[in-house]
Amino acid sequence: DQQVKQNSPSLSVQEGRISILNCDYTNSMFDYFLWYKKYPAEGPTFLISISSIKDKNEDGRFTVFLNKSAKHLSLHIVPSQPGDSAVYFCAASLIQGAQKLVFGQGTRLTINP
Amino acid sequence: DTEVTQTPKHLVMGMTNKKSLKCEQHMGHRAMYWYKQKAKKPPELMFVYSYEKLSINESVPSRFSPECPNSSLLNLHLHALQPEDSALYLCASSHIGQGNSPLHFGNGTRLTVT
Repeated sequence: DQQVKQNSPSLSVQEGRISILNCDYTNSMFDYFLWYKKYPAEGPTFLISISSIKDKNEDGRFTVFLNKSAKHLSLHIVPSQPGDSAVYFCAASLIQGAQKLVFGQGTRLTINP
Repeated sequence: DTEVTQTPKHLVMGMTNKKSLKCEQHMGHRAMYWYKQKAKKPPELMFVYSYEKLSINESVPSRFSPECPNSSLLNLHLHALQPEDSALYLCASSHIGQGNSPLHFGNGTRLTVT
């Protein structure tokens, strides 16, 4: 049973426009959510996170929104830049000592010039 | 640049070989993790160490043997692997028990078993 789902395998966005990546989860006990970006041949790079007690967190061009009732989170990137082209993973965990992070399948974002 | 360093970057080994993957961090993190990632799949958790003690083993076959010699180092000893074990092996670290403490990943070791 996949607890964290990213239903869009790929997304293509024009440079300068907004990119919106979506993620759904099934386990209501998750209390910490993260987005990672991954380039080929590199490890995942942490982008932004949100605690379950919040509904929005912003860091520069990146904003994460959490809708607990819908068990849904999204990552907004605005404006999108060519360097944002990568695979984006949504992840969720329970904060109980060390974390057992569960990843979604990933969405490949392509920013077109 | 990543603050979690993994060596080697690439490793090719036969099914009878014994090899080790190494990971090092100097961020003062007391949790360290091994993940495995196959092509076009998300990372999957293998092991978690908390305060240098193994706290989670996700039913990983015994041909993978983790070791945490101290708070900065994490090893993964490999023996009698199968070709299907070929994957990217990722090490990560984090603080323990703190809100908003993300995992920091290394760039991984690309393992090929022949």
